[in-house]
Order: sequence, then C-alpha cells, then structure tokens
Amino acid sequence: GDSVTQMEGPVTLSEEAFLTINCTYTATGYPSLFWYVQYPGEGLQLLLKATKADDKGSNKGFEATYRKETTSFHLEKGSVQVSDSAVYFCALRGYSSASKIIFGSGTRLSIRP
Amino acid sequence: GAVVSQHPSWVICKSGTSVKIECRSLDFQATTMFWYRQFPKQSLMLMATSNEGSKATYEQGVEKDKFLINHASLTLSTLTVTSAHPEDSSFYICSAIDRGLSEKLFFGSGTQLSVL
Repeated sequence: GDSVTQMEGPVTLSEEAFLTINCTYTATGYPSLFWYVQYPGEGLQLLLKATKADDKGSNKGFEATYRKETTSFHLEKGSVQVSDSAVYFCALRGYSSASKIIFGSGTRLSIRP
Repeated sequence: GAVVSQHPSWVICKSGTSVKIECRSLDFQATTMFWYRQFPKQSLMLMATSNEGSKATYEQGVEKDKFLINHASLTLSTLTVTSAHPEDSSFYICSAIDRGLSEKLFFGSGTQLSVL
C-alpha cells in the first residue's frame, strides 16, 4: 500500500542555518503530496502542497518539489528562524483514495537562537 | 481561519474505563471528520472516517466496538475508547474537511491518552 518515509528527528539547527528534511513516498498512480506543520500546543496545519510531478510548493520560506523520478518531496528552507521550531509531517493523498491522507512519522525541528 | 477544537488535550484513566474525546469544527460545517492515532516515533494512522448522520467507516484492523465514533451534527464528532487498556495509550488526532474551502483539511491539536 501507499506509504511515506521521512527523516527521523529530532533535528537541531542554529538560527539562519539551511534546513532539509527528507521525505520519500511509495504510491500507485499520481498522489498529491503535502507538508504539514504542528507548532507546540496547536493542531496540524497545511504548510505546502504539490499535486503533480515537478510542481514546487512554497510557503513561509519553505519549499518542496514533487520529484516523481526519485519519489521524493524534500522540505527545504534557506534560513531557519527560532519560530520554525515545530514538528513537520510529510503526507500523501493517493489518487484513488479521495480525501484519505497517509502521514510520515514526523520530524521534530528545534532551532537555537 | 477555520479552527478545529479537540478536547481534552490529555487524559489519564484507569484500565477498564471508557474515555470520550470530542472534536468540534468551530466556524465551518464538517460533513466529514477523520480520526487518527499516533504511537511515539510512528506515523499518524487513520483509524476511521466519520460522516455526519451515518456510520463511520473503519480502517482495516481497527475495532469498531472498541473505538466508537459518533458524528451526530455537522460540527461535532466524538471518539469513545471503550474499556480502555494500557495498549490503547496513544496520541489521538481528529481532522475535519471544510467543504466550503475546496475540501481543505483542518486538524485538532490532539489528545494524549494514558491508560494506567
């Protein structure tokens, strides 16, 4: 079945460092891909998404490109801030599964001032 | 923006008791809500899909008599863990679809259940 594998955390970086959180997926057909973020004490929020190959999702300085050839959707940010500290979830919605979303295990990111 | 309120945020109970978790959409109508559970360092696993006014659809391997889901109104779904046991200890998260926003999915903040 469909699955998502993402980089295990926790990840700790200094402010202004470059961030990459790896995410790969297994799915039949052409899934939509998502990154969700969960800030402390809050619910998951959609950070960005991409619905077809080579699409680039972007929001709040974060980017991820849908790479079908490598089945990847890595999250990147050029200069992280303390306020980016959160748990990040990679997810996919299968082509044939309507609104059912499959999540990765989450990566906790901590940014040091 | 759209908000989903989940309550309680954490609960500790004795083995054999039942626990009810509520999920409310505060400013939109949610005809469909989802319930997930997450074990430490593992993925969010979809447990069931809850549709207003009808029976929930459970994922394979999820006991429907153990995890009772009620979606009696367009803004409220409840998950009741019946006769809880320590292995039911987990993080439970609900989400709801706002049909008016191109089916955008909104999540509650989760409930940490600890069964002693």
